[in-house]
Amino acid sequence: EAGVAQSPRYKIIEKRQSVAFWCNPISGHATLYWYQQILGQGPKLLIQFQNNGVVDDSQLPKDRFSAERLKGVDSTLKIQPAKLEDSAVYLCASSSHQDRGSYEQYFGPGTRLTVT
Amino acid sequence: AQSVTQLDSQVPVFEEAPVELRCNYSSSVSVYLFWYVQYPNQGLQLLLKYLSGSTLVKGINGFEAEFNKSQTSFHLRKPSVHISDTAEYFCAVSDKDDYKLSFGAGTTVTVRA
Repeated sequence: EAGVAQSPRYKIIEKRQSVAFWCNPISGHATLYWYQQILGQGPKLLIQFQNNGVVDDSQLPKDRFSAERLKGVDSTLKIQPAKLEDSAVYLCASSSHQDRGSYEQYFGPGTRLTVT
Repeated sequence: AQSVTQLDSQVPVFEEAPVELRCNYSSSVSVYLFWYVQYPNQGLQLLLKYLSGSTLVKGINGFEAEFNKSQTSFHLRKPSVHISDTAEYFCAVSDKDDYKLSFGAGTTVTVRA
């Protein structure tokens, strides 16, 4: 079974530029998450999708961050304009909560963003 | 949202020695508990989880953890570590029926020969 795919793996941009990250979850997984992991901290949930609908985006800085999952499969996370404090690893995870014995989230390798 | 405290930010340990990573959470409701491992430049991988039942949970790679409801703790242990266990370890908590995970800040384990 293929895992969660993310691209790019690394990105360096200047502040005020825009950037987009892509995630392809495990096939059949209805729930998709985006996390931000700042160096030295644990991952923090930014947004959760169930199919193509948003379940929770309370921690997403909506003035600069946006995310979509139009067909209920792939997802993109965008930052515009980027700030220095957005430097972090952005992790995508997916899960299939139809299997209620699992509760496991499967994580991709992440995208390391450096804003200079 | 849950609050998760990992009491040790860094744990150096010699190969074949035991290791314990401590995790406490704050919650007045029933929770699910998880330990994830993150190897350099990789995503998080589930080590083990507690959903219900026996408070001693066994996971992959010889790790185990014990859920203590009265102390709101979920400490991770391994009786004998290998060099390959060098990684960052995250404790995570979610409320029952709420799939959102709250993570601790992580514990970096460095295993030396």
